[in-house]
Amino acid sequence: DTAVSQTPKYLVTQMGNDKSIKCEQNLGHDTMYWYKQDSKKFLKIMFSYNNKELIINETVPNRFSPKSPDKAHLNLHINSLELGDSAVYFCASSQDLGGGAKNIQYFGAGTRLSVL
Amino acid sequence: RKEVEQDPGPFNVPEGATVAFNCTYSNSASQSFFWYRQDCRKEPKLLMSVYSSGNEDGRFTAQLNRASQYISLLIRDSKLSDSATYLCVVKGNNDMRFGAGTRLTVKP
Repeated sequence: DTAVSQTPKYLVTQMGNDKSIKCEQNLGHDTMYWYKQDSKKFLKIMFSYNNKELIINETVPNRFSPKSPDKAHLNLHINSLELGDSAVYFCASSQDLGGGAKNIQYFGAGTRLSVL
Repeated sequence: RKEVEQDPGPFNVPEGATVAFNCTYSNSASQSFFWYRQDCRKEPKLLMSVYSSGNEDGRFTAQLNRASQYISLLIRDSKLSDSATYLCVVKGNNDMRFGAGTRLTVKP
């Protein structure tokens, strides 16, 4: 069974549309994250949630809204998609925010978003 | 200055070579350090944690220098399968910061 699964794997859509990416982890972890990896391959954190509470909210346009219905799920909704949103979005989870091994992050396979 | 900086490479080495990557970080309060590996069109995966005393896992050795704020990764006896991008990761209080990665290609 996949530990961190995100859907869809590929998403091709038109500018201006609204789309969602779902993420689920079955590791029993408390903390989940969303990252964006752009064409230059730089992996940048967008959000993190710990026990369904927002912990990190980087400078991300408010068109991006994360939602955590429970600690095993962290979904990402994007409104009014723009060309610059094209990237690979990775979901990840870690045991919690403590130090050392508790921070080790397990990633989903990524969602490749292309905005046309 | 970026929070986590790595030489992007690419490093092109022959099989059997020894190669070393460095990574510097700006936040002196950083608590935990890791090396991740990312294959082309795949997700990042943990390679190894980095401990203050340095640690080794087979052909891989990681070191941490808190005074100079850098970590290193040494790969001995490189294999073709080591070809990947190696990401330096540094944890502050509540966040994880990834370097841009160093691309390694091991050639026959």
